[in-house]
Amino acid sequence: EPEVTQTPSHQVTQMGQEVILRCVPISNHLYFYWYRQILGQKVEFLVSFYNNEISEKSEIFDDQFSVERPDGSNFTLKIRSTKLEDSAMYFCASSAGLAGADTQYFGPGTRLTVL
Amino acid sequence: AQSVTQPDIHITVSEGASLELRCNYSYGATPYLFWYVQSPGQGLQLLLKYFSGDTLVQGIKGFEAEFKRSQSSFNLRKPSVHWSDAAEYFCAVGPTNTGNQFYFGTGTSLTVIP
Repeated sequence: EPEVTQTPSHQVTQMGQEVILRCVPISNHLYFYWYRQILGQKVEFLVSFYNNEISEKSEIFDDQFSVERPDGSNFTLKIRSTKLEDSAMYFCASSAGLAGADTQYFGPGTRLTVL
Repeated sequence: AQSVTQPDIHITVSEGASLELRCNYSYGATPYLFWYVQSPGQGLQLLLKYFSGDTLVQGIKGFEAEFKRSQSSFNLRKPSVHWSDAAEYFCAVGPTNTGNQFYFGTGTSLTVIP
């Protein structure tokens, strides 16, 4: 069964450093998402991406964040200058169509630790 | 605003016992509702979903959930829990009239004792 993959599984970085989290969505999916889960808190939406542009984003997704689909298979989340409060599990998801009409399938997550 | 509440942070059941995990949502229209399960070190796996029609939906691994509009609930049930069901369970609603993002509950951690 096709699945969403994410690398790395765990990333440790120093505050102020840039990180790039990588995702490979399911191959025939057209909508891509990033969510994050701070330890002990709920999973929160960050951004959705369709047709090579951001379709919606949350208040969390400020200028420090960016997303890109650099080729036909990868979908990346960049945090330009990490802060301690960026430490969280980051989940990538993809769907064939608009969520609801088509289910979002999630990857295993990347645990980001900012020191 | 849309929201999802999972009142039980942690539940412990004995293997073979029945299970019910509660989920309440706040949304003005008929929502799309989902239950996901997260095993340690794993991603979020879809258990089941409700879009419309029959309010009792069947999912994988023997789980089912019932949509009750009058109670704004979508509780997850399993008649006989297995040790392998120990995991974190998330209820989610989406999309909504504000966009195609999902709104998640805080999750319920399930422990299964022999």
